[in-house]
Amino acid sequence: SQQGEEDPQALSIQEGENATMNCSYKTSINNLQWYRQNSGRGLVHLILIRSNEREKHSGRLRVTLDTSKKSSSLLITASRAADTASYFCATAGGGNKLTFGTGTQLKVEL
Amino acid sequence: DAMVIQNPRYQVTQFGKPVTLSCSQTLNHNVMYWYQQKSSQAPKLLFHYYDKDFNNEADTPDNFQSRRPNTSFCFLDIRSPGLGDAAMYLCATSRDRQYYEQYFGPGTRLTVT
Repeated sequence: SQQGEEDPQALSIQEGENATMNCSYKTSINNLQWYRQNSGRGLVHLILIRSNEREKHSGRLRVTLDTSKKSSSLLITASRAADTASYFCATAGGGNKLTFGTGTQLKVEL
Repeated sequence: DAMVIQNPRYQVTQFGKPVTLSCSQTLNHNVMYWYQQKSSQAPKLLFHYYDKDFNNEADTPDNFQSRRPNTSFCFLDIRSPGLGDAAMYLCATSRDRQYYEQYFGPGTRLTVT
């Protein structure tokens, strides 16, 4: 399978703490994307990082990409209860489609 | 606001009774995708349309069909639903087929009784 893997599978933190989740993938990519999914809803695109980029920021999100290790990380700073969701990485490479990772379930407690 | 709309949000069907899920978009995107997502799993791509060009994934069962009568609408037909087809079905669009972000609808939760 070419599906990416994310770790941890589940993460529970207190509001105000930072949350870090990691994604590993197997094939060469054009870009890597992160999506959020609230329970029972569709996915929302968060950020896209191209293969020639190493780091990207968007608000409280910071994404890094290491193509030599075929890995990426998503950091959410100063987390809020509203950040509680599942987070998926997705790689865009050959085949004109995204390949989604297994997801990390984040719970931010008050 | 431009968006991806899925109807219905919840669908209950009987074992073996054909069902159709619909998706519409106001983004005027070229590509429309259908995903199946089971509980606590990653979305699994079933097929996609690039304009009128239909692209089926190799492991998508023949029980699943799709139609795209125009740019805005896309339908997922399940000819004979089995209990294993109970899942969330997600429709998504992207501006073009190569490497763009995807925009998802809220999903249709399908229950098979």
